[in-house]
Amino acid sequence: KQEVTQIPAALSVPEGENLVLNCSFTDSAIYNLQWFRQDPGKGLTSLLLIQSSQREQTSGRLNASLDKSSGRSTLYIAASQPGDSATYLCAVVNTGGFKTIFGAGTRLFVKA
Amino acid sequence: EAGVAQSPRYKIIEKRQSVAFWCNPISGHATLYWYQQILGQGPKLLIQFQNNGVVDDSQLPKDRFSAERLKGVDSTLKIQPAKLEDSAVYLCASSAPGRYGPTYGYTFGSGTRLTVV
Repeated sequence: KQEVTQIPAALSVPEGENLVLNCSFTDSAIYNLQWFRQDPGKGLTSLLLIQSSQREQTSGRLNASLDKSSGRSTLYIAASQPGDSATYLCAVVNTGGFKTIFGAGTRLFVKA
Repeated sequence: EAGVAQSPRYKIIEKRQSVAFWCNPISGHATLYWYQQILGQGPKLLIQFQNNGVVDDSQLPKDRFSAERLKGVDSTLKIQPAKLEDSAVYLCASSAPGRYGPTYGYTFGSGTRLTVV
């Protein structure tokens, strides 16, 4: 059974710091992995999607990497800003049955 | 491109009452999902539709939850009767299905926050 874990559960950093959010999964047979951002009281906004054949994706100050063999993905945020404060969730789609499993998220707070 | 539309945004009901949520996916997205997100947790899939057929409803509490997508476009999710533990955000998402799974990932609506008192 696929399990997705995100560590840390919460993170507070000063503005301008580079930071890494971690996502681990137990079953490497995935189709893709997606990182989302969720603001309080809002839905999920897709940030980056990595197909199983890819190693990383970049969008602006965000870079996501994928290492299927070790069951890990990281989301790197460069030069963090207060507007980056939100909860970041990762989700994996399994190849068997194509079910999507979400992690519980990392709540990020960037202090001005 | 219009996003995934959901209504209402908020709903407060008493336990044992019924409630319905509505979702209109992105035009052309054949796959529609309803997720339940309890505070502090990741979203949990309740039901997945492919056009107007159910693909996965294994985690839907069928004694009280029901969902339909009659014309393969918009969808409604109903809870009857509601329990206190149903308090959560109900998210609708849609995707364009690929050969082996969802292409380009998922697009989510803003969700409906349900409070059962």
